[in-house]
Amino acid sequence: EAQVTQNPRYLITVTGKKLTVTCSQNMNHEYMSWYRQDPGLGLRQIYYSMNVEVTDKGDVPEGYKVSRKEKRNFPLILESPSPNQTSLYFCASSFARVGNYNEQFFGPGTRLTVL
Amino acid sequence: GENVEQHPSTLSVQEGDSAVIKCTYSDSASNYFPWYKQELGKRPQLIIDIRSNVGEKKDQRIAVTLNKTAKHFSLHITETQPEDSAVYFCAASMNAESSASKIIFGSGTRLSIRP
Repeated sequence: EAQVTQNPRYLITVTGKKLTVTCSQNMNHEYMSWYRQDPGLGLRQIYYSMNVEVTDKGDVPEGYKVSRKEKRNFPLILESPSPNQTSLYFCASSFARVGNYNEQFFGPGTRLTVL
Repeated sequence: GENVEQHPSTLSVQEGDSAVIKCTYSDSASNYFPWYKQELGKRPQLIIDIRSNVGEKKDQRIAVTLNKTAKHFSLHITETQPEDSAVYFCAASMNAESSASKIIFGSGTRLSIRP
């Protein structure tokens, strides 16, 4: 089944404790992206990646890191989480080519609470 | 940078009536405009998209119109049904030929269909 998976789905942590949220897709998509969703603010892009070893900042990259060592995986790293990073996080992926393949497929979301 | 404004933030329509959601964008270089639907507790899913070389696109009961001069685009849902109740997000991106680019989402519209 074609899908985007994220782990964990729920996480409660404390300020300053490093954490990683994993994202994996099995559709051979070149493009992957991370978003955070907060009430009244919609979806805001954190980082995106066009392909292996190619990443770029989105709209709200501060406090986050990413890596793209393999095509299928795009982990989101919070080196020192703070309460303002409490949010619902979505990973998404898509093809990166001309044609009707720009649809982004979203993962199920990770609800993160930083105390 | 790009800014996308979406209105209204909430919309309630009688079942069978039409619903219209409007978005404006600031960067004239934006050339790809997708719309996503997010049902309660679910992940966003693409429902329709339009590229800047097209003024209108239709898919059954949903349609999107684009006015490049005024830098606004709209989602139209006709003959609304209960299953149309959801949050809808518009977005603008500067690269229609691939989705490997920054994408800015609107803040969302919560659509409720009254029986």
